Amino acid sequence: AQTVTQSQPEMSVQEAETVTLSCTYDTSESNYYLFWYKQPPSRQMILVIRQEAYKQQNATENRFSVNFQKAAKSFSLKISDSQLGDTAMYFCAFMKRGRGGANNLFFGTGTRLTVIP
Amino acid sequence: SAVISQKPSRDICQRGTSLTIQCQVDSQVTMMFWYRQQPGQSLTLIATANQGSEATYESGFVIDKFPISRPNLTFSTLTVSNMSPEDSSIYLCSAGTPRSYEQYFGPGTRLTVT
Repeated sequence: AQTVTQSQPEMSVQEAETVTLSCTYDTSESNYYLFWYKQPPSRQMILVIRQEAYKQQNATENRFSVNFQKAAKSFSLKISDSQLGDTAMYFCAFMKRGRGGANNLFFGTGTRLTVIP
Repeated sequence: SAVISQKPSRDICQRGTSLTIQCQVDSQVTMMFWYRQQPGQSLTLIATANQGSEATYESGFVIDKFPISRPNLTFSTLTVSNMSPEDSSIYLCSAGTPRSYEQYFGPGTRLTVT
């Protein structure tokens, strides 16, 4: 079974500063994907960034980047130049690689991020 | 990517009744999923909606309580049956496209059972 752990229930950051959200996971799978989703108060789940486990290079999407440590089973999210619109719940998620495309996701418990003006 | 809509967006229902939630995708997808998000909690997978066959349920979820239909590649329904206040949650539909491992989510249905 897969488990995803987010040890920071809440975090805050000053606008324009940098913040890192932590995530660890446990799996016996060798082929998988990791994701960070954002859920603002509107409750729409928005994909922030993804990482393929077979890629050593850390994924980057504009102000968002990850630090993927496969051996340590760690997958942290760094948000640079934080903006007020980044205020949301952030979920780390694991997906076992399937044959037919997307597979079901296992989510962590989430980190509530507040960006302070 | 895929755009997903859900109806209704929210509802308040009485104990013992049933509610059917609809999920519509704007393109053909292979996988569709239903998740539950209880108040202040993370998302938990209820089932995988299989096109033309019975859904695959996760441990703790049964077909009699959460019947699911998926008549084609772009539409699915989830029914929450014989509701109790413990069923008050957000129910989210998601879908994955054939060429991608990414999942796209609908806006969710906020259900309150009184």
